[in-house]
Amino acid sequence: DVKVTQSSRYLVKRTGEKVFLECVQDMDHENMFWYRQDPGLGLRLIYFSYDVKMKEKGDIPEGYSVSREKKERFSLILESASTNQTSMYLCASSSREGRKDYEQYFGPGTRLTVT
Amino acid sequence: GQQVMQIPQYQHVQEGEDFTTYCNSSTTLSNIQWYKQRPGGHPVFLIQLVKSGEVKKQKRLTFQFGEAKKNSSLHITATQTTDVGTYFCAVSSNTGKLIFGQGTTLQVKP
Repeated sequence: DVKVTQSSRYLVKRTGEKVFLECVQDMDHENMFWYRQDPGLGLRLIYFSYDVKMKEKGDIPEGYSVSREKKERFSLILESASTNQTSMYLCASSSREGRKDYEQYFGPGTRLTVT
Repeated sequence: GQQVMQIPQYQHVQEGEDFTTYCNSSTTLSNIQWYKQRPGGHPVFLIQLVKSGEVKKQKRLTFQFGEAKKNSSLHITATQTTDVGTYFCAVSSNTGKLIFGQGTTLQVKP
C-alpha cells in the first residue's frame, strides 16, 4: 500500500525558531513536493524536487528551504519561523516517466502553529 | 503563469440533490486531475483525464474534459453525506508540476 508519512501531525513553535518538517515516501517516487494549505487559498506549492539533491522553487518559497539527501526523504525547513507561517503543510510524491508526471500521493499533513 | 479557475467555491445541497464543480483554464491543457479532500484529511487522487471530450464515470461521479481541453467538470448524482469534502482540479504546468484550483467545498444536509 502506497504511503507518505510526515513526522508530526501537530506542531507548536515560537517565533524565530528553526523548524524542520520531515516527509518520507516508500514508493520509490522520483518527485516530491511541499505545499501549504490555507482556508480560501487552496494548495500552494512551496518547493519541489525531481531527484536527489535537486530542488526547484514553487510559487511561495520565501522563508522556506528544503533538503533532499535521499530519494525517499524530503525535508522542509523554516529558518526562522514567523506567525504568518502558521498553516497546514502537506507533502506529496509522484512517479515520473520521461516528461509524464503521474498522480500525487499526499501525506496526512502537519498543522503548524507559530506563536 | 498558468492558472486554473474553479467554481463555485462552496456548495450546500440537500442529500439526494446533484452537484457539479467546474474547472476552467485560458490555455489548452495536456491533462487534468481531480482530487477529493475529506474534512480533516488530505487530498486523494480520483481520476485523470487526457483526451479531448473524454467522459469517465466512477459510480455516481462523472468527470468530463472539454472538447477544447480548456475546461473540465465533476458531477455527482444524488449526493450522499459521504460526498462531503473539498474537490480540487489540478493541471500540469509546462515544468511538470501540478497547479491546483482553489477547490469547491461541498456540504450535504441529511
